[in-house]
Amino acid sequence: AQSVTQLDSHVSVSEGTPVLLRCNYSSSYSPSLFWYVQHPNKGLQLLLKYTSAATLVKGINGFEAEFKKSETSFHLTKPSAHMSDAAEYFCVVGTGANNLFFGTGTRLTVIP
Amino acid sequence: DTGVSQDPRHKITKRGQNVTFRCDPISEHNRLYWYRQTLGQGPEFLTYFQNEAQLEKSRLLSDRFSAERPKGSFSTLEIQRTEQGDSAMYLCASSSLPGLAGDGEQFFGPGTRLTVL
Repeated sequence: AQSVTQLDSHVSVSEGTPVLLRCNYSSSYSPSLFWYVQHPNKGLQLLLKYTSAATLVKGINGFEAEFKKSETSFHLTKPSAHMSDAAEYFCVVGTGANNLFFGTGTRLTVIP
Repeated sequence: DTGVSQDPRHKITKRGQNVTFRCDPISEHNRLYWYRQTLGQGPEFLTYFQNEAQLEKSRLLSDRFSAERPKGSFSTLEIQRTEQGDSAMYLCASSSLPGLAGDGEQFFGPGTRLTVL
């Protein structure tokens, strides 16, 4: 069975400071892991994905995530937050059938 | 715009009525997915099609729900005898087959927000 746990429902950072959104996963086999972002009134957009290649994955808009098997974690980071980063972020695990299991989301607020 | 489109964007209905939503995937994508997202939660998988074949259905998809993709292009999701608990955002996504261009990445539409009064 696959599942993801997003440890924070809400994260607030000041503009220009680092972002850390935490995610732990559970999977019965080698997982595919994703981070998606959802801006209000817009569709979900893929930020980055891990599919058993490099453990440090770089995505769009300066985001990156590191796959740590020993910790079953896939935390999302960005060195410097921008106002446009304010959104809902979902950590996602993929199944072999290419279906996606979403976490409950982390709402990121960026304070000017 | 060649992304995934959904229609309508918003639907308000009374309990007991039937509703139908449409999804138009990216044209070259073989797979089409339906998800449901309730307030404060992440999307939950409902069902998916490969071409016109419905290959998997979630336990969330009760007998009142039916999805079709008759020609392997657009898809419809119908909810019969709607209940207040059906109020949610219904999301559609499409993807190519894994291993082909795009590597199976799912592209999401903007969703249809259903409110059942």
